Amino acid sequence: GAVVSQHPSRVICKSGTSVKIECRSLDFQATTMFWYRQFPKQSLMLMATSNEGSKATYEQGVEKDKFLINHASLTLSTLTVTSAHPEDSSFYICSARELATFMNTEAFFGQGTRLTVV
Amino acid sequence: GNSVTQMEGPVTLSEEAFLTINCTYTATGYPSLFWYVQYPGEGLQLLLKATKADDKGSNKGFEATYRKETTSFHLEKGSVQVSDSAVYFCALSTGNQFYFGTGTSLTVIP
Repeated sequence: GAVVSQHPSRVICKSGTSVKIECRSLDFQATTMFWYRQFPKQSLMLMATSNEGSKATYEQGVEKDKFLINHASLTLSTLTVTSAHPEDSSFYICSARELATFMNTEAFFGQGTRLTVV
Repeated sequence: GNSVTQMEGPVTLSEEAFLTINCTYTATGYPSLFWYVQYPGEGLQLLLKATKADDKGSNKGFEATYRKETTSFHLEKGSVQVSDSAVYFCALSTGNQFYFGTGTSLTVIP
């Protein structure tokens, strides 16, 4: 199946700094990428939907100025956690769907990024 | 609206036991249905899928049948192994959105 690569897998940062997480579709083009947050022993919470070349659509309650999403190409989306605080510590996962066969097809997921803010 | 209701866990089984994880859905239109598996510290991997009513998805001994009449997509495996210990997510896709269940944690003990 298609591969989505997410980097880094783990990151520890100091409170107040910013962290960038990359999500790449390696062997397909992804018009749309999704960013999720997962708390321990809980389900995935959709944060935003990222569309190539346009602004991301954020879910209710997600601060768009804190979680900056850029989808500059059909193979790359980035999530930047700005001025991170300990409460932002979480597991972040991206997913992407293929351009050509978009409707009702499976999403492919990155490996996730464990962010720890100290 | 669209939603997925998944059996709550955690589920603990002995090796070689039969597994069922229930999943029901509410959807407009004609959704596709999926089961994803998440191993500790990793992202989600597609386990199986079904794109229309009466389709059966299967992979690695797991099966699920798309039942439109009962709006269900229950996951089953006849004989679980320790390596099946993970969190399982039921999901549906309609249009450009995915909807996930809450996940069911499965632990298989030797």
